[in-house]
Amino acid sequence: QKEVEQNSGPLSVPEGAIASLNCTYSDRGSQSFFWYRQYSGKSPELIMSIYSNGDKEDGRFTAQLNKASQYVSLLIRDSQPSDSATYLCALEEAGGFKTIFGAGTRLFVKA
Amino acid sequence: ETGVTQSPTHLIKTRGQQVTLRCSSQSGHNTVSWYQQALGQGPQFIFQYYREEENGRGNFPPRFSGLQFPNYSSELNVNALELDDSALYLCASSLQGAGINEKLFFGSGTQLSVL
Repeated sequence: QKEVEQNSGPLSVPEGAIASLNCTYSDRGSQSFFWYRQYSGKSPELIMSIYSNGDKEDGRFTAQLNKASQYVSLLIRDSQPSDSATYLCALEEAGGFKTIFGAGTRLFVKA
Repeated sequence: ETGVTQSPTHLIKTRGQQVTLRCSSQSGHNTVSWYQQALGQGPQFIFQYYREEENGRGNFPPRFSGLQFPNYSSELNVNALELDDSALYLCASSLQGAGINEKLFFGSGTQLSVL
């Protein structure tokens, strides 16, 4: 079983809609979770971090964490064509030193 | 801009050669992690350096090695290049310490092609 699982997509949503990106993980001890956005040909950039169960909102982005279900999600409200990118779910390994990434979900926002 | 710089941006090598990639960390950061990202995949952890010592290693063979310098800049060396080493190599700097959750700040990467 992969440590961080994401649906590779592509996920296609119309402009203005809510995009929902999901991620499951296997390391029950992980405490720190991240969403990175990666545009084609560019490096990943951090857009959200979440450490506690529940929701965390930042502008149009909401991260949701459910440690009991080992599930992390990212909601993008009022999706824009500029949100079209690959979204990488990541976690900091429990008791460790490395950040582990999923394979990413490609999102297309149609104008 | 993250303040993390990598060089070179692109590199073409032939199988069997050796390569050195370089990274300058963001000011104030004491940790450097190196990742390999193949096309269509997520970044795979190679290793991490904290205060000039290797702090952990992923599932990569010993021909992948690294260094961190007193100014926290870093090098990734790959010997005996193989075709499968063709990938984007990403350097990420972070601040590690008690009570700090490690957010990574990536450089723009080095695209390595092995022919």
